[in-house]
Amino acid sequence: DMKVTQMPRYLIKRMGENVLLECGQDMSHETMYWYRQDPGLGLQLIYISYDVDSNSEGDIPKGYRVSRKKREHFSLILDSAKTNQTSVYFCASSQGFSNERLFFGHGTKLSVL
Amino acid sequence: GDSVTQTEGQVALSEEDFLTIHCNYSASGYPTLFWYVQYPGEGPQLLFRASRDKEKGSSRGFEATYDKGTTSFHLRKASVQESDSAVYYCALPLSSSFSKLVFGQGTSLSVVP
Repeated sequence: DMKVTQMPRYLIKRMGENVLLECGQDMSHETMYWYRQDPGLGLQLIYISYDVDSNSEGDIPKGYRVSRKKREHFSLILDSAKTNQTSVYFCASSQGFSNERLFFGHGTKLSVL
Repeated sequence: GDSVTQTEGQVALSEEDFLTIHCNYSASGYPTLFWYVQYPGEGPQLLFRASRDKEKGSSRGFEATYDKGTTSFHLRKASVQESDSAVYYCALPLSSSFSKLVFGQGTSLSVVP
């Protein structure tokens, strides 16, 4: 059904806590992405994954790490979250290694207090 | 480096007004360009793409013309509706990494009846 699913939709954490954001897709897409969205900055690429265990840094990887052990799942991990990581996080996927069309999830709104 | 700039951060219109959103890009070669739309509470989705000089894309009454000479990819609609209220992003593939997309800052369109 061509869907990218993000869990959870909303998350509140305290500074210093660990955060796990999960993303799944049902299209067997090779490439997956994590973006964060902030007012006035648009969408900024955190990490890109070309397949299982084949991950590459995006433009703002500092403070984040990722894990992709199955093609369908791509996780974003914040070790010891900071208040400036409060944002909306979007996962996306695309077929092959092409950017012809990215499919986005509904996003996870993370608040770090 | 490759970049896209959207000059309007917010646009407020009345129904049946004409819409123009400007997108200027900086890149080498002949890039494919994309417009994405993000409705409230959802992730961005592809509106259309263009890859040839003077090519017009169209979808849902929107039109965009890609002009290699002026390195621009503007979005237009002759008569907006309240349902067009959304955030619009133009996006450019990085010449150094075809899989990576650089998004503009986004233009938030608000249409009132």
